[in-house]
Amino acid sequence: EAGVAQSPRYKIIEKRQSVAFWCNPISGHATLYWYQQILGQGPKLLIQFQNNGVVDDSQLPKDRFSAERLKGVDSTLKIQPAKLEDSAVYLCASRTRVTGELFFGEGSRLTVL
Amino acid sequence: QKEVEQNSGPLSVPEGAIASLNCTYSDRGSQSFFWYRQYSGKSPELIMSIYSNGDKEDGRFTAQLNKASQYVSLLIRDSQPSDSATYLCAVLSGGSNYKLTFGKGTLLTVNP
Repeated sequence: EAGVAQSPRYKIIEKRQSVAFWCNPISGHATLYWYQQILGQGPKLLIQFQNNGVVDDSQLPKDRFSAERLKGVDSTLKIQPAKLEDSAVYLCASRTRVTGELFFGEGSRLTVL
Repeated sequence: QKEVEQNSGPLSVPEGAIASLNCTYSDRGSQSFFWYRQYSGKSPELIMSIYSNGDKEDGRFTAQLNKASQYVSLLIRDSQPSDSATYLCAVLSGGSNYKLTFGKGTLLTVNP
């Protein structure tokens, strides 16, 4: 079974530029999560989708971050304009309905200069 | 107030010792509890899950849950250098929304 796919793995941009990350969850997983993990901290939930609807985006900085999950499969997270403090790893995860277990992708590491 | 708190690290133990990792959570309605291991530069991987009060053992790992005290712990017996990683406690709550909240993590170092 294929795991959660994310791209790109690494991205370096200047502040005020834009960036987009892509995630393809495990087939059949209806719930998809985007987490932000700053170095030395635990993952922080940015947004949670159930199929193509948003369940929780209370911690998403909506003035600069946006996310969509068209057709209830893959998802894109965008940051525009980026700030220095956005430097982090962006983790995508999908959840199995049976156990509640989350499976994570490899992550996309963003460096904002 | 933080929703999931872990004992501050780093934690250093000698090889062969027992490592004890602790976690408390604030939402009494939390349903499921997980321990993830995260190696440096890698994504979290699930090592233990526990859903009811008591102990759950899996090889060298034992998870303990006390819902009355809102406390979860992970014991690693016969610690190995390969166990050196950050251990993240995660709590599932939010009813049908299934919100998974992570603690800050505890860095464990096992010294040969």
